[in-house]
Amino acid sequence: DTEVTQTPKHLVMGMTNKKSLKCEQHMGHRAMYWYKQKAKKPPELMFVYSYEKLSINESVPSRFSPECPNSSLLNLHLHALQPEDSALYLCASGSDVYNSPLHFGNGTRLTVT
Amino acid sequence: DAKTTQPNSMESNEEEPVHLPCNHSTISGTDYIHWYRQLPSQGPEYVIHGLTSNVNNRMASLAIAEDRKSSTLILHRATLRDAAVYYCILRDDQTGANNLFFGTGTRLTVIP
Repeated sequence: DTEVTQTPKHLVMGMTNKKSLKCEQHMGHRAMYWYKQKAKKPPELMFVYSYEKLSINESVPSRFSPECPNSSLLNLHLHALQPEDSALYLCASGSDVYNSPLHFGNGTRLTVT
Repeated sequence: DAKTTQPNSMESNEEEPVHLPCNHSTISGTDYIHWYRQLPSQGPEYVIHGLTSNVNNRMASLAIAEDRKSSTLILHRATLRDAAVYYCILRDDQTGANNLFFGTGTRLTVIP
């Protein structure tokens, strides 16, 4: 069990669908992250939110739209995805203490058909 | 962020110590060395981190070379549950961004 909860665990969507991935943490962390991980590859940073404001966008295509409605929740809205976007999407949270560890969820496995 | 180099894979026998190396020859004076691991079908989990001195915690030990150009993660007694991909990551929080960029990692296989 992790302290970062991601839903759903699995998602299959068509290229014309709109769906959302959700992430929740109750550790009081003020930084939240989205990572994308392809099979047999390391996680790649997508977005960082700090105090509910988007602080980093690693040149992610606009078909991925993050949202941080409050300090405990992080969403990733998906629209018009491509099959190559199929991957494991990981959420993480961290405190603002210098060099504090990140806490990861177990991810949402997304398949785009 | 400075780059790290790790072997792609390593094997260890169960209940024996494991030494996972990491080279980071371009490390800067303010870079911390972090280790995370990712067990199958799970998200990454924090293992340990350090700056200059060797560090110990309940999961592992971190040995840092005197010139800081390399480090070694030590699992004192490998168990089957330690089979995972281990990532060595340099973090410089001087910019205020508490981010984590993963390298390719070492896949550890533990042989019963």
